[in-house]
Amino acid sequence: DVKVTQSSRYLVKRTGEKVFLECVQDMDHENMFWYRQDPGLGLRLIYFSYDVKMKEKGDIPEGYSVSREKKERFSLILESASTSQTSMYLCASSLGGSGNSPLHFGNGTRLTVT
Amino acid sequence: GQSLEQPSEVTAVEGAIVQINCTYQTSGFYGLSWYQQHDGGAPTFLSYNALDGLEETGRFSSFLSRSDSYGYLLLQELQMKDSASYFCAANMDSNYQLIWGAGTKLIIKP
Repeated sequence: DVKVTQSSRYLVKRTGEKVFLECVQDMDHENMFWYRQDPGLGLRLIYFSYDVKMKEKGDIPEGYSVSREKKERFSLILESASTSQTSMYLCASSLGGSGNSPLHFGNGTRLTVT
Repeated sequence: GQSLEQPSEVTAVEGAIVQINCTYQTSGFYGLSWYQQHDGGAPTFLSYNALDGLEETGRFSSFLSRSDSYGYLLLQELQMKDSASYFCAANMDSNYQLIWGAGTKLIIKP
């Protein structure tokens, strides 16, 4: 079974702090994604990566950056956390690029910025 | 803009059949996926339709009509464990990006 592990289940940070969310997958998948999930809005793509050191902006990249130094690890960075970034963050990976290559999600990190 | 519309909530009775609809408006379209998410859990992949017609996987089936920009997820013999949120997601021109619906919360009553 594919396992996608997010380092923290819950995080509480203060406004202005730099926040790191870590994600590791164990199936040698090429593609990794960071989403945020908010009630009534579904999942919105922040950034994705289709190869080591490659990254592409998703729909809502503002205020975020990412790092992919190794194939199995994809980090999301909030440079200066704001209360508007309080949300559930989901990491996912996939083998291929088409919809028929399903996304495998981690259990999420619920981030609260106070 | 690009969007997927699905009902916010559907209620059904244990043992019954329920259909969750999804209509989409996208600039390009490759296929429609469905994911299930239990409260507090991760979304899990259910099905993918690239061609028109019905795809069946056990108690779950998914249908696509490209000409109508419409799809649905059909759940049969509902069980209490099927209580969850269901998301449709569309592949557009890019192979890597999905556009997601807001999700349908399925409530099952005994």
